[in-house]
Amino acid sequence: TQLLEQSPQFLSIQEGENLTVYCNSSSVFSSLQWYRQEPGEGPVLLVTVVTGGEVKKLKRLTFQFGDARKDSSLHITAAQPGDTGLYLCAGAIAGNTGKLIFGQGTTLQVKP
Amino acid sequence: GAVVSQHPSWVICKSGTSVKIECRSLDFQATTMFWYRQFPKQSLMLMATSNEGSKATYEQGVEKDKFLINHASLTLSTLTVTSAHPEDSSFYICSAREQAYEQYFGPGTRLTVT
Repeated sequence: TQLLEQSPQFLSIQEGENLTVYCNSSSVFSSLQWYRQEPGEGPVLLVTVVTGGEVKKLKRLTFQFGDARKDSSLHITAAQPGDTGLYLCAGAIAGNTGKLIFGQGTTLQVKP
Repeated sequence: GAVVSQHPSWVICKSGTSVKIECRSLDFQATTMFWYRQFPKQSLMLMATSNEGSKATYEQGVEKDKFLINHASLTLSTLTVTSAHPEDSSFYICSAREQAYEQYFGPGTRLTVT
């Protein structure tokens, strides 16, 4: 069974602080996606990382895929209240089924 | 691009009745769609994989006779919750696969069974 351990599961910080969310697995993924979800809405795709060691930036968000493609991290610089939400990592399993393995999610609250 | 819609966005039904939820890819063709269930403040749990023109593949523990999935076209998949009970109340989300890796999610359907 492939698992994706996401941590921390809850994070409450002040506006302007930095934070990092981690996703780790013992399995290798062909790609990994990061999503952000607001209450009562579906997840919105933030980024897809495919290559081991890949780093992608989206404004104040930096995403990294581990060299072995088993782990990933999301770093937010100078968090803002608008960053509040549920962040989900999801790994694509080998083969062409398209199935995603989701982490447990990180609920982020940024206080003004 | 890559917009997925769901209908209805919320539904309340009585115990014992059936409810159908539609998932549509609006601007692309999706050979594969996925159905998820999500409990409050938790991650998504995959229920089944739906391929156009073939039977859905259900995850372990998901009752295929209770959660009927039909993927009649490249832009539409439906989930029917049959003989719904209060424990079926949840947030149901579909996603559609466009390229090799990426899935795009619908806005979700809140089901409440009374």
